[in-house]
Amino acid sequence: GAVVSQHPSRVICKSGTSVKIECRSLDFQATTMFWYRQFPKQSLMLMATSNEGSKATYEQGVEKDKFLINHASLTLSTLTVTSAHPEDSSFYICSARDRANYYEQYFGPGTRLTVT
Amino acid sequence: GESVGLHLPTLSVQEGDNSIINCAYSNSASDYFIWYKQESGKGPQFIIDIRSNMDKRQGQRVTVLLNKTVKHLSLQIAATQPGDSAVYFCAVLNQAGTALIFGKGTTLSVSS
Repeated sequence: GAVVSQHPSRVICKSGTSVKIECRSLDFQATTMFWYRQFPKQSLMLMATSNEGSKATYEQGVEKDKFLINHASLTLSTLTVTSAHPEDSSFYICSARDRANYYEQYFGPGTRLTVT
Repeated sequence: GESVGLHLPTLSVQEGDNSIINCAYSNSASDYFIWYKQESGKGPQFIIDIRSNMDKRQGQRVTVLLNKTVKHLSLQIAATQPGDSAVYFCAVLNQAGTALIFGKGTTLSVSS
């Protein structure tokens, strides 16, 4: 089956530093990838939609200069949290839409970010 | 804007019982609905989906029912097992057809 990986699974960084999270579709091509943020005991909130080779579309309230998204290939998207603050601590989850099937969307295992 | 709501944040059942988790959505034009299961510290796992041209779809031990008249979606789990304990989310494809909107989630606890 379709597999999406994320790296790292957990990361701790200091306030003011930047951290990059990778999302890869391992056995399919993903023209579209999505980034979500999930706070404890809450639902997934869509942050942005990225299409391969073009700029990401950010949801209202999400700072595009703080959360940099790059989708350089059909199998890789990255989310960089710049100048991280403790309130950015969260569970970040990516998903990828199968190029061959518009309705199929596969989720990664998530990345736990802790900013100290 | 579009929204997806939930009827109960928690549900506790005994092993072997049937579980029903409900969800409501706001956009009558919604075309595609999915149920996900999320275990602690993991990403959502696909359970079952349904298109708006269907009222019911069955999988292994799971059934999704769609009532477009009242904009209501439900997930039925037959013979619930301890391994079914998780948070269950319904998700709806947004009006633009570009992204999923998630409901708040129901925590299912199964005791043996």
